[in-house]
Amino acid sequence: AQSVTQLGSHVSVSEGALVLLRCNYSSSVPPYLFWYVQYPNQGLQLLLKYTSAATLVKGINGFEAEFKKSETSFHLTKPSAHMSDAAEYFCAVSESSGGYQKVTFGIGTKLQVIP
Amino acid sequence: DAGITQSPRHKVTETGTPVTLRCHQTENHRYMYWYRQDPGHGLRLIHYSYGVKDTDKGEVSDGYSVSRSKTEDFLLTLESATSSQTSVYFCAITGQGDRGYTFGSGTRLTVV
Repeated sequence: AQSVTQLGSHVSVSEGALVLLRCNYSSSVPPYLFWYVQYPNQGLQLLLKYTSAATLVKGINGFEAEFKKSETSFHLTKPSAHMSDAAEYFCAVSESSGGYQKVTFGIGTKLQVIP
Repeated sequence: DAGITQSPRHKVTETGTPVTLRCHQTENHRYMYWYRQDPGHGLRLIHYSYGVKDTDKGEVSDGYSVSRSKTEDFLLTLESATSSQTSVYFCAITGQGDRGYTFGSGTRLTVV
């Protein structure tokens, strides 16, 4: 069975500081991993995805994530936080199951950016 | 995005009444999903569809049913709404072999 753990339901950073959102997963097969972002009163938007190509994945809005198999981690980073990055971020893991994507989401991390 | 729309965006209903939420896509994607989002739980899968008239249960399917009579529409029905079904409901779509969801904007349902 697959699972996702996001460490820290709330993270606060100062504008211009490094953003680090943590995600650890468990999966019985090589996983596909995702980060989604949700702005208030909106649906989730795909930020980036790992599909077994490069271990360092670049996404939109300057975010990137590194797949580390030995640590079963897929942490999300951004060198310099911007006020517009304030949102909720969800890590997700996907395994194939009879043809459809069986996706498990973490509980989310709310990012606050302090001016 | 116009590729997937949910209706209504907001609904307030009384306990015991049936409610139907609609998800409409213009992407011709095979797979469609209904999730509910609740604080502290993230997103949990209710039902999903892998083709017209082909549906299956997710992890929190009790009290919900779905139907998909054509590729573009996936309906979620609460047969008899309860307060525990107050939530934000999201529809998502994905194509064959595609491993990323496109989400709708959500329906905020309040059961009073």
